[in-house]
Amino acid sequence: ETGVTQTPRHLVMGMTNKKSLKCEQHLGHNAMYWYKQSAKKPLELMFVYSLEERVENNSVPSRFSPECPNSSHLFLHLHTLQPEDSALYLCASSQDLLFAGSYNEQFFGPGTRLTVL
Amino acid sequence: GQQLNQSPQSMFIQEGEDVSMNCTSSSIFNTWLWYKQDPGEGPVLLIALYKAGELTSNGRLTAQFGITRKDSFLNISASIPSDVGIYFCAGQFIIQGAQKLVFGQGTRLTINP
Repeated sequence: ETGVTQTPRHLVMGMTNKKSLKCEQHLGHNAMYWYKQSAKKPLELMFVYSLEERVENNSVPSRFSPECPNSSHLFLHLHTLQPEDSALYLCASSQDLLFAGSYNEQFFGPGTRLTVL
Repeated sequence: GQQLNQSPQSMFIQEGEDVSMNCTSSSIFNTWLWYKQDPGEGPVLLIALYKAGELTSNGRLTAQFGITRKDSFLNISASIPSDVGIYFCAGQFIIQGAQKLVFGQGTRLTINP
């Protein structure tokens, strides 16, 4: 496997279900991100992990729970979701930054298409 | 919160035509980025702009970082069918040593052969 992989690619769940999305990066990066992409809305940053520590929770409801057990893996645990949570969930990774004025490219996975019934 | 206004939202052009899209923001960003997303895939970086006024090319793509650091444009010359997709601008800033990207709404490009 190369780059950033996400599983599953498609997920249909009921509002009472509990499921998890998985992301794995094979690039040796130390920062990972979860984004939500809804129809007709910009990509929204949900969570940022840098060196396995969460550095950003962008006002995301608690029914989304991230986990970063190591620098290569990132999970998004889902429970009691709402139909409006249906979207494409994208994972990305990059090399962490140590100073402003530079940019380390974020590499995106293909996403998990989530449908909440 | 920070927002990027990207226009146009969609474009329908003939193969061979040039394309232009732009992004504006009320906030200043350290870096401006342009990404492309193909169906069923995540966004892929096309061009990164680091300095105000910078003009950068990548093949048939040209992008500029506005002098005020609050805007950017992307031009595609002589469009070809594989240019079809959604183009996103993004502004970057740093939090706690990690980077945060704010994305525009996207420009969906459709090309008639």
